[in-house]
Amino acid sequence: EPEVTQTPSHQVTQMGQEVILRCVPISNHLYFYWYRQILGQKVEFLVSFYNNEISEKSEIFDDQFSVERPDGSNFTLKIRSTKLEDSAMYFCASFGTGKGIYGYTFGSGTRLTVV
Amino acid sequence: QKEVEQNSGPLSVPEGAIASLNCTYSDRGSQSFFWYRQYSGKSPELIMFIYSNGDKEDGRFTAQLNKASQYVSLLIRDSQPSDSATYLCAVNTVGNQFYFGTGTSLTVIP
Repeated sequence: EPEVTQTPSHQVTQMGQEVILRCVPISNHLYFYWYRQILGQKVEFLVSFYNNEISEKSEIFDDQFSVERPDGSNFTLKIRSTKLEDSAMYFCASFGTGKGIYGYTFGSGTRLTVV
Repeated sequence: QKEVEQNSGPLSVPEGAIASLNCTYSDRGSQSFFWYRQYSGKSPELIMFIYSNGDKEDGRFTAQLNKASQYVSLLIRDSQPSDSATYLCAVNTVGNQFYFGTGTSLTVIP
């Protein structure tokens, strides 16, 4: 069964450092997303990406965040200067329709810890 | 502001009972409705989706949608301890944007 792959599974970084979270979406999906979930809280939308550009972003997704699809398969989320409050689980998702599949497929997530 | 509301629980049911999870949404333009299951520390996993009024059944799961009341529910029949998880309601609006509720924590007691 196709899946969304995220790396690394866990990243620890110092406050102020840049991090890049990586995702490989399902190959025939066209919509890509990043979500985050702070421990014990709801899943929050960050950004959606379609046709090689951002289609929508939330107020969380400020100038510290950026997304890229550098090579047609990877989809990355960069946080330029991490803050303690960026510590969360970050989920990549891709969306598509197909045989028996409809809806978001989430990756297994990257746990980001900012110290 | 697009809101998706769920009772956070916790909801406890005995093994074999029916668990009923509810969700309301504010955006009348919402098109599709999804239930995800999330185990602690894991990513959400799609259980069911529904986009037409009425009931949709898949094994022990039944999703119910009432667009007039802006209400969607999930019934789990013959609940098992392995069903213990947080259940997330998600709503798909125009532009394929998803909004999640805060989730309902379900515990099935053996």
